[in-house]
Amino acid sequence: GENVEQHPSTLSVQEGDSAVIKCTYSDSASNYFPWYKQELGKRPQLIIDIRSNVGEKKDQRIAVTLNKTAKHFSLHITETQPEDSAVYFCAASNPNAGKSTFGDGTTLTVKP
Amino acid sequence: EPEVTQTPSHQVTQMGQEVILRCVPISNHLYFYWYRQILGQKVEFLVSFYNNEISEKSEIFDDQFSVERPDGSNFTLKIRSTKLEDSAMYFCASSEAGIDQPQHFGDGTRLSIL
Repeated sequence: GENVEQHPSTLSVQEGDSAVIKCTYSDSASNYFPWYKQELGKRPQLIIDIRSNVGEKKDQRIAVTLNKTAKHFSLHITETQPEDSAVYFCAASNPNAGKSTFGDGTTLTVKP
Repeated sequence: EPEVTQTPSHQVTQMGQEVILRCVPISNHLYFYWYRQILGQKVEFLVSFYNNEISEKSEIFDDQFSVERPDGSNFTLKIRSTKLEDSAMYFCASSEAGIDQPQHFGDGTRLSIL
């Protein structure tokens, strides 16, 4: 089955700095890679996603890159703000297997 | 913006009892999911459901679990004979199409087994 590894588990940055979170996946059949932000006690919220036919996608301060060959994808947050503090999860979805596999999560702390 | 709604927000149950968690997916969505998140851990896939049948289930989704769409709007997760280790947050999600489409999560039901 799919295995998703996410690094780092915790990340602390100063406000205004960039943050990068990386994930690797094992199943080459996975073709959809969403990123979720989860604030304490709340639901995971989709913040950006990328499909396997695209190498990069950007939405304002958030970008995601995908390297299909190496089977890794990364979340980039620029100009971080304290409200970016949350747990971020990557996931890999395989339509053939009909399931999504999540990474272990990264706790991002943005210090004002 | 339409939302996935889940009830109850918190369920406390004695070990060995049955519990039913309820979800109302977004109305035009066709695929429904249940996930589990033990406190402080990652989100774990339990089951996907399409066209009134299970599409896929994980190894966690054993014989004590079942899902049902009893009417045109509700999607339920039943846990028979609950165990202490079933204590977790259970999230329902839905998507317009398949697993490779954006999923919208509900606020979750916190299940506490005593």
